[in-house]
Amino acid sequence: GQQLNQSPQSMFIQEGEDVSMNCTSSSIFNTWLWYKQEPGEGPVLLIALYKAGELTSNGRLTAQFGITRKDSFLNISASIPSDVGIYFCAGRFGNEKLTFGTGTRLTIIP
Amino acid sequence: NAGVMQNPRHLVRRRGQEARLRCSPMKGHSHVYWYRQLPEEGLKFMVYLQKENIIDESGMPKERFSAEFPKEGPSILRIQQVVRGDSAAYFCASSPQGGDYNEQFFGPGTRLTVL
Repeated sequence: GQQLNQSPQSMFIQEGEDVSMNCTSSSIFNTWLWYKQEPGEGPVLLIALYKAGELTSNGRLTAQFGITRKDSFLNISASIPSDVGIYFCAGRFGNEKLTFGTGTRLTIIP
Repeated sequence: NAGVMQNPRHLVRRRGQEARLRCSPMKGHSHVYWYRQLPEEGLKFMVYLQKENIIDESGMPKERFSAEFPKEGPSILRIQQVVRGDSAAYFCASSPQGGDYNEQFFGPGTRLTVL
């Protein structure tokens, strides 16, 4: 089946720093989604990407759909304490089910 | 506009008992998806349902697990004769359409603990 490799697995950064994470797939997708999950809660959709090369922003978050259609990137600028959580990528091809990455755990060092 | 509702939020069962997890999709959503999340792992797809239909159950274990989404009422994920390995967080998501509409909205999850 499809596999999504998400990296890094965890990040420890200082408040104010920028964050970059990425997701790579063993096969092509035509949809990439980025979710954030906080402790004890379900994932919340941050950004949806539908076209290769697409670059989409949501406040301080920017995500890109890789031109190979096998990867996606999420950047967070000027991190703040409430950015703490686990960030998941998810991909989908056609009508197939969503496949989730293993998550990037973000910790903000005060 | 209420989001996806799941109950109970926490469920404790002894081995061999049955667990019933409920999911009410967002208003206007007719498609429901169930996922399982083990500690420190991502979400694993289990089943995709529309009203009165199972569309894709490729992620469901062959035994003890079943799901339904009746014409009226919430979607139910049922686990019979639970074992310790069933302990996990179970998330439900809904979308207004399947197919081309990809964005799924998640509920807060049910955390199942099997003693």
